[in-house]
Amino acid sequence: GQNIDQPTEMTATEGAIVQINCTYQTSGFNGLFWYQQHAGEAPTFLSYNVLDGLEEKGRFSSFLSRSKGYSYLLLKELQMKDSASYLCAVATDSWGKLQFGAGTQVVVTP
Amino acid sequence: GAVVSQHPSRVICKSGTSVKIECRSLDFQATTMFWYRQFPKKSLMLMATSNEGSKATYEQGVEKDKFLINHASLTLSTLTVTSAHPEDSSFYICSARDQGIGGDEQYFGPGTRLTVT
Repeated sequence: GQNIDQPTEMTATEGAIVQINCTYQTSGFNGLFWYQQHAGEAPTFLSYNVLDGLEEKGRFSSFLSRSKGYSYLLLKELQMKDSASYLCAVATDSWGKLQFGAGTQVVVTP
Repeated sequence: GAVVSQHPSRVICKSGTSVKIECRSLDFQATTMFWYRQFPKKSLMLMATSNEGSKATYEQGVEKDKFLINHASLTLSTLTVTSAHPEDSSFYICSARDQGIGGDEQYFGPGTRLTVT
């Protein structure tokens, strides 16, 4: 079966840093995605990792270790608008089929 | 970035009727599109992979005769929920794969909220 695990909820204050961990066990691996989703809206793309290491994109960074089946999304300098659900997704085949984790609800407080 | 549209954004229908949802890639050709459904406060669940010019591939547990998918062109895929029931009420989201010169990315449509009464 496919397992993609991430924490249900995290709370942090404005200006702080939050790290969202994702562990996965899937039948195939063609890359790992992070998406942001606000309530009632479709997911928006944040990052993509297919090789081990850190990818940095502005305030967001994502890390991947394929041998450990582990990734994290790092959000720096948190802003109120960052309050959303963050979805970890693994591409399990070359067609781009994505399996999603349950999502981590990040709550940013003043 | 690339844009994917969905129509309608919201639809309410009566039990037993059928509803068609369209997914369009607006500025790129998508040989592959995906259909997901999402229940409140839950993650996206992949329903099927839609390939242009061929039959869709359904995930385990998804009834292909109930959720009809047609990918008639490189920019359009449709999902028809046949004989809808209240338990089909959900948020349906499509995504389209862009394998153009810029790389390989997947873009999501804005979603369609279906309510079956």
